[in-house]
Amino acid sequence: NAGVMQNPRHLVRRRGQEARLRCSPMKGHSHVYWYRQLPEEGLKFMVYLQKENIIDESGMPKERFSAEFPKEGPSILRIQQVVRGDSAAYFCASSPPRVGNTEAFFGQGTRLTVV
Amino acid sequence: DAKTTQPNSMESNEEEPVHLPCNHSTISGTDYIHWYRQLPSQGPEYVIHGLTSNVNNRMASLAIAEDRKSSTLILHRATLRDAAVYYCILRDVSGSARQLTFGSGTQLTVLP
Repeated sequence: NAGVMQNPRHLVRRRGQEARLRCSPMKGHSHVYWYRQLPEEGLKFMVYLQKENIIDESGMPKERFSAEFPKEGPSILRIQQVVRGDSAAYFCASSPPRVGNTEAFFGQGTRLTVV
Repeated sequence: DAKTTQPNSMESNEEEPVHLPCNHSTISGTDYIHWYRQLPSQGPEYVIHGLTSNVNNRMASLAIAEDRKSSTLILHRATLRDAAVYYCILRDVSGSARQLTFGSGTQLTVLP
């Protein structure tokens, strides 16, 4: 069973471009979470999605950021018109659908650099 | 989410046990205690979790105080590869929010 797969591992974008980060959850997992880690800082929750639904986006910046988890395919975190402050590591996690206490499994992250 | 308090940093010698403390005095009855760690340049990794009883797995042990207001992660024999930031997180499974809320964690340094 492959782990959570994120791609690309490294992404360089010029200011004003769009960044698309992909996350394929573990097989059988229907819950996906995105986190951002700024340099030398802790992990901050951004958004929690289930298939075709956004459950909690309380950590998402109000503008330029969006996330989706379609019925088929990976979850996508999209950042429009990137700025230097968006440079960070973005981690995706997934967990199984059963209700109750379960652990989350994290990917290796995408390191976004805005130049 | 109820908050946790951890020391900013700790040191250990290689092959010695390490006890990483966590205080969570406002823990509720439906909060599970989770531990994750993050090695340099990697994503967080699940370590262990528990509710009331002590727990053991291949990575570590979790000792939970009787009043549940504190817990200790125990690495029985630290190796250099255990150097990481260790996060103690409370996860309330009774509500709809299921995300993990990370604090600043404890930076563990393992000395050879």
